[in-house]
Amino acid sequence: GAVVSQHPSWVICKSGTSVKIECRSLDFQATTMFWYRQFPKQSLMLMATSNEGSKATYEQGVEKDKFLINHASLTLSTLTVTSAHPEDSSFYICSASTPGTGELFFGEGSRLTVL
Amino acid sequence: QKEVEQDPGPLSVPEGAIVSLNCTYSNSAFQYFMWYRQYSRKGPELLMYTYSSGNKEDGRFTAQVDKSSKYISLFIRDSQPSDSATYLCAMRIPTGTASKLTFGTGTRLQVTL
Repeated sequence: GAVVSQHPSWVICKSGTSVKIECRSLDFQATTMFWYRQFPKQSLMLMATSNEGSKATYEQGVEKDKFLINHASLTLSTLTVTSAHPEDSSFYICSASTPGTGELFFGEGSRLTVL
Repeated sequence: QKEVEQDPGPLSVPEGAIVSLNCTYSNSAFQYFMWYRQYSRKGPELLMYTYSSGNKEDGRFTAQVDKSSKYISLFIRDSQPSDSATYLCAMRIPTGTASKLTFGTGTRLQVTL
């Protein structure tokens, strides 16, 4: 299947700092990528839909000023957690939709721990 | 009522058993159905993708969709310890290729030796 790469796979940061997570589609162009958040033993919660060349669409309850999303190219979307706090500690996962069939492939996830 | 209902488990079976995982949904507009496998601390991996009622087979995995009952299933034959993971069902409506998915809560499966 298609490959989606996510980096870093894990990151630890101090409270108040910002963290950037990258999501790349390695073998296809993705006009749309999705960012999810997953707490332990829970399902994926969609945070936002990232569209290449335009502003992201955020789900209800997700602070767009805190979770900055940039989709600068057809193969790269970034999620920046600004002024991170311990409650932002979570597993963040991106996905990209393949052209045509619309199958959704996920990255390996990024585990964020805010101290 | 959630749009997609899935028993969270955990489901424990012996090696070699046939596993049946199920989801029900309430939105009749869902037309595309997927099953993902997620190992601990990893991203979900697409297992099966279907868009019509009936069965689709891929190796030891069979996906079944019954749109009239709003019920989908994933069967795993000859289960192996390596199948131990959380299985998520997901579905979407056919509004273009990049519409967002609605996920079930996931069923945690443990295959024992």
